[in-house]
Amino acid sequence: DTGVSQDPRHKITKRGQNVTFRCDPISEHNRLYWYRQTLGQGPEFLTYFQNEAQLEKSRLLSDRFSAERPKGSFSTLEIQRTEQGDSAMYLCASSPPGTASSYEQYFGPGTRLTVT
Amino acid sequence: SQKIEQNSEALNIQEGKTATLTCNYTNYSPAYLQWYRQDPGRGPVFLLLIRENEKEKRKERLKVTFDTTLKQSLFHITASQPADSATYLCALQYSSASKIIFGSGTRLSIRP
Repeated sequence: DTGVSQDPRHKITKRGQNVTFRCDPISEHNRLYWYRQTLGQGPEFLTYFQNEAQLEKSRLLSDRFSAERPKGSFSTLEIQRTEQGDSAMYLCASSPPGTASSYEQYFGPGTRLTVT
Repeated sequence: SQKIEQNSEALNIQEGKTATLTCNYTNYSPAYLQWYRQDPGRGPVFLLLIRENEKEKRKERLKVTFDTTLKQSLFHITASQPADSATYLCALQYSSASKIIFGSGTRLSIRP
């Protein structure tokens, strides 16, 4: 399967613990996006990378959230000191460079986080 | 800030009929308006994109219209099938490399 992959698919953690999620985009896709989605809502933008540069970050992303894409390939999203309000589906998407089809985003299956 | 409104109620359609979903937005028009399909527990899947200078776009049984005066997009599925049952998300994008702003989606059910 050459689509976007995310790991883990499910994560249950206790409040106060740190968690890290990984996203592997489609190869040759230079843009990578993180979104958060709660039940009954559409995905909310968190942050965006072009290659290894983090170009945009939402106000939703508090100091407890950090994302990296060190070599311009896979990305990690870390949440420190998790809170119950962090429970959500975390979605990763990638987009290819500079062509007419580069505006559509290809989403991974998501990581469902439950904070108890 | 930009707001996107989609049919808040679920839409129930008889198989074979045309389903029409609405997406309204406030403030200024996006450069691109996209529609995605999302099944339970899965990530969204891209369906169609329409540019601000385009009025209509078609793909097989799907048709999207974009009216920047009304600040509205309509998404049509003709000859609907039970397999079309899913949540459909409208999304706005203001430049080719920018983030996408999603609506909350409309749940569509097609009954046999």
